[in-house]
Amino acid sequence: AQSVSQHNHHVILSEAASLELGCNYSYGGTVNLFWYVQYPGQHLQLLLKYFSGDPLVKGIKGFEAEFIKSKFSFNLRKPSVQWSDTAEYFCAVTGFGNEKLTFGTGTRLTIIP
Amino acid sequence: GAVVSQHPSWVICKSGTSVKIECRSLDFQATTMFWYRQFPKQSLMLMATSNEGSKATYEQGVEKDKFLINHASLTLSTLTVTSAHPEDSSFYICSAQRSGIYTEAFFGQGTRLTVV
Repeated sequence: AQSVSQHNHHVILSEAASLELGCNYSYGGTVNLFWYVQYPGQHLQLLLKYFSGDPLVKGIKGFEAEFIKSKFSFNLRKPSVQWSDTAEYFCAVTGFGNEKLTFGTGTRLTIIP
Repeated sequence: GAVVSQHPSWVICKSGTSVKIECRSLDFQATTMFWYRQFPKQSLMLMATSNEGSKATYEQGVEKDKFLINHASLTLSTLTVTSAHPEDSSFYICSAQRSGIYTEAFFGQGTRLTVV
């Protein structure tokens, strides 16, 4: 069975700080990887996704993530965070050809102005 | 991105009653819809996979007779919580996907269910 681990449960940063949120997955085959964001009171939105090709993917709002197959990781990064990035971030994975998403436990990000 | 609308956003019901939650894909046809449950400060737990015109596939530990899912059309899936109890209080979220292997999921805004 596939699983996703997000090691950071709550991250607090000041504005303009750099961000890296960890995500590791467990799956025995080809994977599709996603980062979703949930702003307070809003629905989940896709930040970025990896299906194949360049392992460094860029998403919306200046976020990027790097797929490192050897480490089973898909960490999310942003060079300079803003107060508006305060939200809950979820890493998710599906197996190739399998539509079911498996989510990590989420990381709450709080940005201090 | 595509829009998925979930209704109602919140509902309060008495123990023993049933509650229906709707999930609609507004601008695309969703071959598959998923229903999740999210506990406070926890991740989304998949409850069931709903395919248009066929029976839903439930995850292990999810009571199919309690959580009735109907996917009557390519744009609508419903989740009915039957004989609700306080322990069913939770945040329920649906998502919808187009067919294909390189598709992403689009999420509804969720429904906060409180059973009193």
